[in-house]
Amino acid sequence: DQQVKQNSPSLSVQEGRISILNCDYTNSMFDYFLWYKKYPAEGPTFLISISSIKDKNEDGRFTVFLNKSAKHLSLHIVPSQPGDSAVYFCAASLIQGAQKLVFGQGTRLTINP
Amino acid sequence: EPEVTQTPSHQVTQMGQEVILRCVPISNHLYFYWYRQILGQKVEFLVSFYNNEISEKSEIFDDQFSVERPDGSNFTLKIRSTKLEDSAMYFCASREDWSSYNEQFFGPGTRLTVL
Repeated sequence: DQQVKQNSPSLSVQEGRISILNCDYTNSMFDYFLWYKKYPAEGPTFLISISSIKDKNEDGRFTVFLNKSAKHLSLHIVPSQPGDSAVYFCAASLIQGAQKLVFGQGTRLTINP
Repeated sequence: EPEVTQTPSHQVTQMGQEVILRCVPISNHLYFYWYRQILGQKVEFLVSFYNNEISEKSEIFDDQFSVERPDGSNFTLKIRSTKLEDSAMYFCASREDWSSYNEQFFGPGTRLTVL
């Protein structure tokens, strides 16, 4: 089941620069997308979300972009900070029903000082 | 800030034994979930629970699994006869309501090791 894919298992970025994490999905019925951050031995922590009626959502240093025609979303972190080093998961769901989340494989982001 | 809690943090069991994983969702939340993550793999949906009944379940959630909300605060996942392949991190999550766009809040997880 590859409905949500994060093709980059890891990403290394210098502190202060922009981090861009990418996610692709195949199910055009998905209408709600979320990004979670996960530290070792902790559960996923919600970062930011976007509904399919928007193409951009911003919250502080985090911006999510949605391109429905390409079935692609991205998370931008500007500026990147050492505390941002974690695994980032993209997730998608349908608003109707139980809203179960379908996760990507995750991208490990490392911010270098 | 309210949070989802899970106990135990780590459970070791013998194959064939029953285990119960416990979760306390955020108090005003109405939707509850269990997910699992096998080492090196994706986080996978197991089951959702709303209004005291299962609202959706995955193919993984077979007859060996059950969920219960025995009182107003706990939400449990029972595995009746554990198999080696049940070894994973199990995450509980909760969501405020079903009618709008809102995120699921996850607990810290229970690491289940089946020997």
